[in-house]
This record gives sequence, structure tokens and C-alpha cells, in this order.
Amino acid sequence: GQQVMQIPQYQHVQEGEDFTTYCNSSTTLSNIQWYKQRPGGHPVFLIQLVKSGEVKKQKRLTFQFGEAKKNSSLHITATQTTDVGTYFCAGRWRDDKIIFGKGTRLHILP
Amino acid sequence: EPEVTQTPSHQVTQMGQEVILRCVPISNHLYFYWYRQILGQKVEFLVSFYNNEISEKSEIFDDQFSVERPDGSNFTLKIRSTKLEDSAMYFCASSVSQITDTQYFGPGTRLTVL
Repeated sequence: GQQVMQIPQYQHVQEGEDFTTYCNSSTTLSNIQWYKQRPGGHPVFLIQLVKSGEVKKQKRLTFQFGEAKKNSSLHITATQTTDVGTYFCAGRWRDDKIIFGKGTRLHILP
Repeated sequence: EPEVTQTPSHQVTQMGQEVILRCVPISNHLYFYWYRQILGQKVEFLVSFYNNEISEKSEIFDDQFSVERPDGSNFTLKIRSTKLEDSAMYFCASSVSQITDTQYFGPGTRLTVL
């Protein structure tokens, strides 16, 4: 069946260090979305990747979609305290099924 | 900026009772969604709704759940006979279309089943 695995579950980094979270799907995705959820808040849409091998940047955030459209990553350069939260990927298939990864909780050490 | 709103923010109910969670999607959006998030766990898709009918639902969305768009603005999730394991945060989301796919989430309703 369709699954989305996301690692790591937790990540503690010093402020200024880089951070990466990875998502892997058991089957080829139609597209993948990334969300950020602050503690106590709701998921906020960050980006959608559709094309094989796609790379998109938003300031310090870089999103990649693998050539086989089965994996994706989110990389944050030079983390800041405002980056704290849980980052979720959400895989989407042609049948419109949406499955979220378990999320990576990012904690920034001052 | 337009936003999705949800009421109530917190609902406490007894096991076996019916609950209705309400959402007002962004006005020009055509696709509506319900998700749930058990405390500390991942977001789980429940159902998507378009053109007054369900377009997709997950295994979680069984006969105890139903959705409705009773008027031009509200989108509701009904749980007929709540169970303890239904305790979770329920998020409503909406998007302009499936093509653009940007989903805007509401602030959520925390459902506590006693």
C-alpha cells in the first residue's frame, strides 16, 4: 500500500546550523507538498513539487523532488529560532489520496 | 488576508454522543478537506469534498463520519457516535482547485471524548 516515511523524527540543531528532513514514498507520487506546523498551531502550506527532479527555493529553504518522484527533501540553511516547528511532507497520488509523513520536529538550540 | 475559520475551538463530549464540527472555508475556494491529528502524531487525511460530494476519503472516514455543506459558506464534519479514540485536533482546509493545490488550514477544533 501507499506509505510515506519521513526522517528524522526529531532534530536538534544549533542556531546557524543547517537542517534537512527527508521523505520517501513506497510508490511513485503525483506530487508532494511540504507544510510547517508551529507548536500549538495548524499546518501551513510551504510548497508543492510536481516535476521529476524539481528543485525550488524559498529564501533559506530548498526543496527537492527526486527523479523517480518517490523521495523529497527540505533543507534549511543557517537555521534561525523562527524555524522551530514540525515539518511535514504530504504525498499525493493519482487517485487523490493524500498521506502525510510523521513529521520532523525541529528544535533550535540558542 | 482571507482565512479558514473553525468552530468551536474546543469541544468536549461524552462517548457515544454526536458532534458536529464546523468550518467556513475561504469564500472563492471550491475544494474542502477534513484532517485529524491525534496529539503529538502526524496529520491524517479524512475526506475531500467538491461540487457537493465526497471526492476522496480515507479508511478512517467510516460510516460514523459524514460531511455536509448545508449552505453556501459552512462545511461540517459530523461524528455520529463518538469513541474515545476520536479525541484529536480536527483541521478543515480549503483550496481554490486541485490544480493549484495550495491548501489553507483552519486553526482546528480540539475534540475531547470522555
